[in-house]
Amino acid sequence: EVQLLESGGGLVQPGGSLRLSCAASGFTFDSYAMAWVRQTPSRGLEWVSTISTSGVSTYYADSVKGRFTISRDNSKNTVFLQMNSLRAEDTGVYYCAKGRGQIYGLDYWGRGTLVTVSS
Amino acid sequence: AIQMTQSPASLSASVGDTVTISCRASEGIANDLGWYQQKPGTGPKVLICDASTLQSGVPSRFSGSGSGTDFTLTISSLQPEDFATYYCLQDYNFPYTFGQGTKVEI
Repeated sequence: EVQLLESGGGLVQPGGSLRLSCAASGFTFDSYAMAWVRQTPSRGLEWVSTISTSGVSTYYADSVKGRFTISRDNSKNTVFLQMNSLRAEDTGVYYCAKGRGQIYGLDYWGRGTLVTVSS
Repeated sequence: AIQMTQSPASLSASVGDTVTISCRASEGIANDLGWYQQKPGTGPKVLICDASTLQSGVPSRFSGSGSGTDFTLTISSLQPEDFATYYCLQDYNFPYTFGQGTKVEI
């Protein structure tokens, strides 16, 4: 059974940083891309970033480019999202999602972790 | 970015009904469309990938169709556990984009 467990969310002040983690199990981790997607009441579901199987290729939404960095540790079956220069509009629930191939697609999702950016 | 227009935003139905949800892409996305179900407090659950491929373990009352720009999710014989919010997602290219969601209510 595919399981994705996010952690690292919390309350942070504008301009601050957070690092999200997602521990994966139940599938061959290094055979699939991984992604982060966020959900907010105002914007709904918004894709944030994807990383390829090897970690060489990364993709970002324009809204986070230059501020967020996705990475993965295939030896620990974990994907990360480093979030810097956080803004109030980054507030939301962040989901980790499994890709369906080396780069593209999404299928299984975690339960999410809440990020709140507020002073 | 490709815009995904999903309709209706909400619908009321009864157990046993057949419901249809539509998603239209602003440009052609071949069959690179998925449908997801979300219940409060949980992450979205994949129902269908590649427009019409039922994910393992998903009941056969769920079906998807379409290609190019117009797609449909059909739920036949609605069950109590199907009352939830449904989203479409295009994964044809980056940035991936979602429909606004359809809330299926009793």
